[in-house]
Amino acid sequence: DAGVIQSPRHEVTEMGQEVTLRCKPISGHDYLFWYRQTMMRGLELLIYFNNNVPIDDSGMPEDRFSAKMPNASFSTLKIQPSEPRDSAVYFCASSLRPQGNTYEQYFGPGTRLTVT
Amino acid sequence: AQSVTQLGSHVSVSEGALVLLRCNYSSSVPPYLFWYVQYPNQGLQLLLKYTSAATLVKGINGFEAEFKKSETSFHLTKPSAHMSDAAEYFCAVSDRYAGGTSYGKLTFGQGTILTVHP
Repeated sequence: DAGVIQSPRHEVTEMGQEVTLRCKPISGHDYLFWYRQTMMRGLELLIYFNNNVPIDDSGMPEDRFSAKMPNASFSTLKIQPSEPRDSAVYFCASSLRPQGNTYEQYFGPGTRLTVT
Repeated sequence: AQSVTQLGSHVSVSEGALVLLRCNYSSSVPPYLFWYVQYPNQGLQLLLKYTSAATLVKGINGFEAEFKKSETSFHLTKPSAHMSDAAEYFCAVSDRYAGGTSYGKLTFGQGTILTVHP
């Protein structure tokens, strides 16, 4: 299994531009999560999906952020317009539905976003 | 609300020495607890998890952790550090799975950077 795939690995953009981050979860996983990691705030859950449906987006910082999951094998996190404070590493993770002792999120390598 | 406190943002040990990374949690319900490791420029990898089975949990790479309810702690240990253990370690807590579409959200600690000296 290739694991969770994220693209691009690095993104540098100018303030005001639209940024789209992409994620391919592990095949067969029911849940997909988007996290943001910064020095100041650590790891934060932004949103998660179950079977392509957004379940909890309470962590999305503001309306400039949006996430979609059009099918079971693809999700996007979009920032429009981007701001320098959005600079962070964005992780995607996926998981099977928890069953008994099976309760693990598999993380992708992350996208390092720099907004200048 | 759940929270996790990792004591010590940086821990430095010599190769072969005991590794002890501290984690205390706060949860209103019996929690699930996790330790993740993050190597430079990589995603997080699960080291071990506590989901209400044995209180002493063994994970990958020789790490283990003990759930102590009375102390609300879940410290991570390894008897003998190896150079390859140098990384950042995250403790996390979540609610138990409640069924349906909900999923116990992971709340992470701030992380502890482990440095291993030769």
